[in-house]
Amino acid sequence: QITLKESGPTLVKPTQTLTLTCTFSGFSLSTSGVGVGWIRQPPGKALEWLALIYWDDDKRYSPSLKSRLTITKDTSKNQVVLTMTNMDPVDTATYYCAHCQRWPNSYYFDYWGQGTLVTVSS
Amino acid sequence: QSVLTQPPSVSGAPGQRVTISCTGSSSNIGAGYDVHWYQQLPGTAPKLLIYGNSNRPSGVPDRFSGSKSGTSASLAITGLQAEDEADYYCQSYDSSLRKAVFGGGTQLTVL
Repeated sequence: QITLKESGPTLVKPTQTLTLTCTFSGFSLSTSGVGVGWIRQPPGKALEWLALIYWDDDKRYSPSLKSRLTITKDTSKNQVVLTMTNMDPVDTATYYCAHCQRWPNSYYFDYWGQGTLVTVSS
Repeated sequence: QSVLTQPPSVSGAPGQRVTISCTGSSSNIGAGYDVHWYQQLPGTAPKLLIYGNSNRPSGVPDRFSGSKSGTSASLAITGLQAEDEADYYCQSYDSSLRKAVFGGGTQLTVL
């Protein structure tokens, strides 16, 4: 049974750095083909893909946010960490981590965490 | 403005059939990238509904089906039930943007 759970601050100030941790179980990030991604959703708005890390440490970032994002993994702890620098009120959103399944020409997310709402405000 | 265009809302009576469209372009769906669909019930995380255009994960009722043609894809729901009331999102990959892209979401109302 695959589960994921996000943790981190619920409130950050503008210009601060956000650090979110995804703790998962039911799979290993050392298994070939496995990945974990981060997706966010501003209140009342659509989903937006942020970043992805694969078992072989291959990392992918949304080009529009690449300069602000860093994704890392700790295989021994079954955790993936996402950091986002220079937070702004427009970054207020629910942040989800999800198990990523590779598909021949893309990928999709078959298991999702419950999400964590992050508010950016002074 | 989402790269993949979905109707903001659709509705149908219990038992009816509804379809939700997802229109892309030559750099995503039209380029051959497959489409995946998610259901998001109110206040919950998205759930994978369809992957690879038309495949259902284990546990998803066969009332849900997906298809793709040209630069568009569709999600069909037959035998509409009250529990189907949710937001639905399509997802693909865009080679120009070099990232996974989602549609703007469609709110399904069961009348």
